[in-house]
Amino acid sequence: NTVMTQSPTSMFISVGDRVTMNCKASQNVGTNVDWYQQKTGQSPKLLIYGASNRYTGVPDRFTGSGSGTDFTLTISNMQAEDLAVYYCLQYNYNPTFGGGTKLELK
Amino acid sequence: EVQLVESGGGLVQPGRSLKLSCAASGFTFSNYGMAWVCQAPTKGLEWVASISTGGGNTYYRDSVKGRFTISRDNAKNTLYLQMDSLRSEDTATYYCARHHEAGFDYWGQGVMVTVSS
Repeated sequence: NTVMTQSPTSMFISVGDRVTMNCKASQNVGTNVDWYQQKTGQSPKLLIYGASNRYTGVPDRFTGSGSGTDFTLTISNMQAEDLAVYYCLQYNYNPTFGGGTKLELK
Repeated sequence: EVQLVESGGGLVQPGRSLKLSCAASGFTFSNYGMAWVCQAPTKGLEWVASISTGGGNTYYRDSVKGRFTISRDNAKNTLYLQMDSLRSEDTATYYCARHHEAGFDYWGQGVMVTVSS
């Protein structure tokens, strides 16, 4: 199984911050990586697919990048509504999620 | 509007069975692969199983192979997950999800399954 390791596991941030979180795959997954946002008590929402493609309706402050084994999700100008847990997913093999990065207010 | 509505969850004893359903609407169900994804309490997401558009191809995570069966009825726009030989570690919220590329673009609200004596 391909293990997806996310870092950091949590971040304390302020509104307006630029936020960067990472996901490392245990083997080459090409660009077969998605990023999801899950707010408390809600289902996950697709943000980024194919490592760098913004899904329909996702604000352009969300940017995904990377290929191979290293991937990054960046939120420029963090908003209060972006407080959530973010998960990466690889689907180059049977799908596996990372453990999540939780964004909390300072 | 795409909607996925799960049902069939509940409390079940270890070793028993449960069948989840997911009613789909707002899109052509037969055109999309579908999946189940679970989330144990306070934990992260885990893919459980996927099924192709016609139902001829199914895929499972190792821990549920031989115990869970994913299926679909395209005439009824419904996805199923038959869960047999349930274990305490299967306790989770189970989400029905529509495949986008090989990820997931729409998710249901989830249904809770608790395996306990």
